Amino acid sequence: GAVVSQHPSRVICKSGTSVKIECRSLDFQATTMFWYRQFPKQSLMLMATSNEGSKATYEQGVEKDKFLINHASLTLSTLTVTSAHPEDSSFYICSARGRRPGYNEQFFGPGTRLTVL
Amino acid sequence: AQSVSQHNHHVILSEAASLELGCNYSYGGTVNLFWYVQYPGQHLQLLLKYFSGDPLVKGIKGFEAEFIKSKFSFNLRKPSVQWSDTAEYFCAVNAGNNNDMRFGAGTRLTVKP
Repeated sequence: GAVVSQHPSRVICKSGTSVKIECRSLDFQATTMFWYRQFPKQSLMLMATSNEGSKATYEQGVEKDKFLINHASLTLSTLTVTSAHPEDSSFYICSARGRRPGYNEQFFGPGTRLTVL
Repeated sequence: AQSVSQHNHHVILSEAASLELGCNYSYGGTVNLFWYVQYPGQHLQLLLKYFSGDPLVKGIKGFEAEFIKSKFSFNLRKPSVQWSDTAEYFCAVNAGNNNDMRFGAGTRLTVKP
């Protein structure tokens, strides 16, 4: 149980285009979803936290107009990178937390590698 | 703000050697502690976690960690590493009533066959 999927796993886009990444909790209801980015050989940095049905809370330094997060249902959150630029190239990872199986535990998706040309 | 420090950036061991990776955090309240592993090209996997109770926590694949509250530490140990343990290891801390999970910088472990 507690499986989180992400789609796509890899995306290459041109500079200036927008990219949407989906994060789904497959077998539990995710009351909270988290979005992280990971640069090569670095740790995960929390970008934003979203609770189902409410606006996302962004970490300091993360542009909310550039990284649009929608958490419309208890099983789906999306991250849209708008007007992507090469510096947005990174590995984006989502995680989800629900009331079950463990409230304080986050379950991570496999990540999406974004390359902006 | 809570922070997590992993002191070892890259550890190189031979097979059968013992492993200890350091993790210290700065937060005064109740914390939940985690160790994750990321194998090359794969996603994060939970190795073990501590919420409460016995401070010595046993996880998967022979790993264990000890929570020492007085030292704000949660070091990861394994008595005898294998080549397949080569991976990146991340310590993470989540404050008791907080959404945030903060990750350490990670420690890359290379096990030589």
